[in-house]
Amino acid sequence: GAGVSQSPSNKVTEKGKDVELRCDPISGHTALYWYRQRLGQGLEFLIYFQGNSAPDKSGLPSDRFSAERTGESVSTLTIQRTQQEDSAVYLCASSLTLGPPRETQYFGPGTRLLVL
Amino acid sequence: KQEVTQIPAALSVPEGENLVLNCSFTDSAIYNLQWFRQDPGKGLTSLLLIQSSQREQTSGRLNASLDKSSGRSTLYIAASQPGDSATYLCAVVNYGQNFVFGPGTRLSVLP
Repeated sequence: GAGVSQSPSNKVTEKGKDVELRCDPISGHTALYWYRQRLGQGLEFLIYFQGNSAPDKSGLPSDRFSAERTGESVSTLTIQRTQQEDSAVYLCASSLTLGPPRETQYFGPGTRLLVL
Repeated sequence: KQEVTQIPAALSVPEGENLVLNCSFTDSAIYNLQWFRQDPGKGLTSLLLIQSSQREQTSGRLNASLDKSSGRSTLYIAASQPGDSATYLCAVVNYGQNFVFGPGTRLSVLP
């Protein structure tokens, strides 16, 4: 069956430009998560959605980052005025529910963002 | 602040060996603990999830244990295969659904 998909798979942008990353979760999954992994560092949790709502946005690195989800489906992560430090792989995951018993997360392939 | 460490950072073993990966965390107030596998160029694969009330979970050749009071989890891989070569990540999830990942253990299983 279809898994989590992300687009674009790769994105090269110039410093100062805005970028939008897209995540299509598995159909019917109510929870959606965004992470990033910068080179040589561990995975960093950014934000999660329960339905279309993101209860806690404190994991977002700065106010240049925003995320939204519509129709309890697709989510977009927007980075405004990109900086070189934003270069990373951005991963999206979804799970059937936020809590037990079906909270196993399924991950997409990631978007590789390079800010020049 | 929750901190997660993993030992060893890298491990190379011959095919067929049983091996143990270790994960330690500093705050025992966790919701669950998860083990993931990360392959180059691919997304994360969730391997095992252990609820805070559980002691272990098993899936095929994988067994994960959790000792919440001591802040430790181990991932046991039996009869390792070259296809097991990957980076293994431990993640601790708190009650706010915030994930804290360890730095990972890079495993190479040699044929």
